[in-house]
Amino acid sequence: EAGVAQSPRYKIIEKRQSVAFWCNPISGHATLYWYQQILGQGPKLLIQFQNNGVVDDSQLPKDRFSAERLKGVDSTLKIQPAKLEDSAVYLCASSLEVGWDNEQFFGPGTRLTVL
Amino acid sequence: AQSVSQHNHHVILSEAASLELGCNYSYGGTVNLFWYVQYPGQHLQLLLKYFSGDPLVKGIKGFEAEFIKSKFSFNLRKPSVQWSDTAEYFCAVNPVNRDDKIIFGKGTRLHILP
Repeated sequence: EAGVAQSPRYKIIEKRQSVAFWCNPISGHATLYWYQQILGQGPKLLIQFQNNGVVDDSQLPKDRFSAERLKGVDSTLKIQPAKLEDSAVYLCASSLEVGWDNEQFFGPGTRLTVL
Repeated sequence: AQSVSQHNHHVILSEAASLELGCNYSYGGTVNLFWYVQYPGQHLQLLLKYFSGDPLVKGIKGFEAEFIKSKFSFNLRKPSVQWSDTAEYFCAVNPVNRDDKIIFGKGTRLHILP
């Protein structure tokens, strides 16, 4: 079974530029999550999708971050414009259904450096 | 706000030593509890979880964790560690019926000396 795929694996941009990350969850997984992991911290949930609908985006900085999952499969996370403090690893995860009793499977992450 | 504390940021042990990693959380209601592990160069993966029932939970690779409600703790243990247990370990808490989020601790980096 293929795991959660993310691209790119690494990205370096200058502040005020825009960046987008892509995630392809495990086939058949209805729930998709985006996390931000700043160096020395644990992952922080940014947004959770159930199919193509948003379940929770309360921790997403909506002035600069946006995410979509238009067809209920792949998802993109965008930052526009980026700030220095956005430097982090962005993790995508998926699970079969919504609910924390469903195991999350994580992708390799995208490491973003904002200069 | 709810928080998760992992007291040890970096732990170094020799092979065959016993391991206990601390995890405390700050929420008085019902919680679901998790330990995740990230081996070098690999993805974050679930080690074990507690939802209800027996507070002593067994996970993969000989790990176990005990939920002590009165102490708001969910410590991870292994009686005899191996070099392959070198990894970063994250405790996570889901406060049930309170925002229904998952909150991760800062992680503990475990280094096992061969």
